[in-house]
This record gives sequence, structure tokens and C-alpha cells, in this order.
Amino acid sequence: AQKVTQAQTEISVVEKEDVTLDCVYETRDTTYYLFWYKQPPSGELVFLIRRNSFDEQNEISGRYSWNFQKSTSSFNFTITASQVVDSAVYFCALSNYGGSQGNLIFGKGTKLSVKP
Amino acid sequence: EAQVTQNPRYLITVTGKKLTVTCSQNMNHEYMSWYRQDPGLGLRQIYYSMNVEVTDKGDVPEGYKVSRKEKRNFPLILESPSPNQTSLYFCASSFWGDNEKLFFGSGTQLSVL
Repeated sequence: AQKVTQAQTEISVVEKEDVTLDCVYETRDTTYYLFWYKQPPSGELVFLIRRNSFDEQNEISGRYSWNFQKSTSSFNFTITASQVVDSAVYFCALSNYGGSQGNLIFGKGTKLSVKP
Repeated sequence: EAQVTQNPRYLITVTGKKLTVTCSQNMNHEYMSWYRQDPGLGLRQIYYSMNVEVTDKGDVPEGYKVSRKEKRNFPLILESPSPNQTSLYFCASSFWGDNEKLFFGSGTQLSVL
């Protein structure tokens, strides 16, 4: 069975702190995709990144970076020098390639609060 | 502008009164899906569709129906809503097979009294 675990329910930091959101996944598939989505207080879901299982290179996009480690089945997300606008719920998600269900399995989310 | 449009944005109804939440996409996507979001549970898939006239159950299909008569539309139907269907609903679409990122609608907050 596929599963995504985001153990941190809520995190609170002060602006300019670095913060890492953890994501651990379970799957028996050898080919799969991992995603991060952001849900700001306005409620919409904003796509942040997609990573396939064959690409373990870490990725950096501005203040955001992602660390994918197949050995520990983790896909952690780090925000450097956090800002108040980063306050949101962040979801990690897993999808198997070409799966018959075409399902995106979401974690329960981590609520990040960045205080000024 | 490429988008997934859900309507209504907010809906309050009473138990047993049939309702439909509409979803439309303008990107010619084959794949469409409905999710519900509940506190502490994340997003869970209700139904999905791989193309016109092809639909299948997700993880939490009980109490819901869908149809896919046209490629662009994928309405979610609650024949007899109950309070446990109070939730935030998202429609999503993508091209099928290559796991492109899902495009999500803005969400529909449903309250069943």
C-alpha cells in the first residue's frame, strides 16, 4: 500500500529562521513521483515541485530546497530564511507512474506559521 | 488562461437535499479527479476519470456520484447529503499517463446541516 507520512502537524518559527518539513513515503513501486503542494490561508493548492523516483538530485529554487533520499524513503522540504508569506499548510504527495487509479496520495499536511 | 473552475465556492445545504458541484477545465486534460479535504486527514480522493465515460472510485466514494459526458466537465453529485460530507472539495485535472502535476480548482466549501 502507498502511504505518505508528515509527522509534523504544526511548526512555528520566527521570520528568517530556516525550517525543514519532513515527508516519509511508502510504496512498493519502483517508479513513482513525489510532490509538494502549498495551501496558503486563501485555500487554493499551489504546486511547488514534482520529482520522479529516478532522480535523487537535490533541488533548489530560491529559498526553497528539497532533499530526496530513496534510502530513507524521504522527501524533505527546507525553507531558508523563512518569511511571513510562507505561512501555509504544506502537503507532500505520492503518485505511482501510470497507476490504474491515477491517484495522488497526500500526507495529512504540516501547518507552518512564520511569525514576524 | 489555463484553469480548473469549480462552482460554487461556498455552499450551505440541508441533509437530504441533492446537490451538484460543477468542475470544468479548459486544458483538454484527459484525467480529472475529486478530492475532499478534512482537518487532520489531508486530501483524499473521491472519484477519478481517465477520459470521457470512464470513471472509477477513489478512496472515499461512498455517498458521491460523478459523470464524465464531456471531456471538460466532471461534476460531483451528492444525491442525499449528510453532515459527514461537510468538507472542502477540490477538483483537479491533468494529462493522463505522464504524471504531470495536477491542476487544482479553487475549492468548494460545503456545509451540510
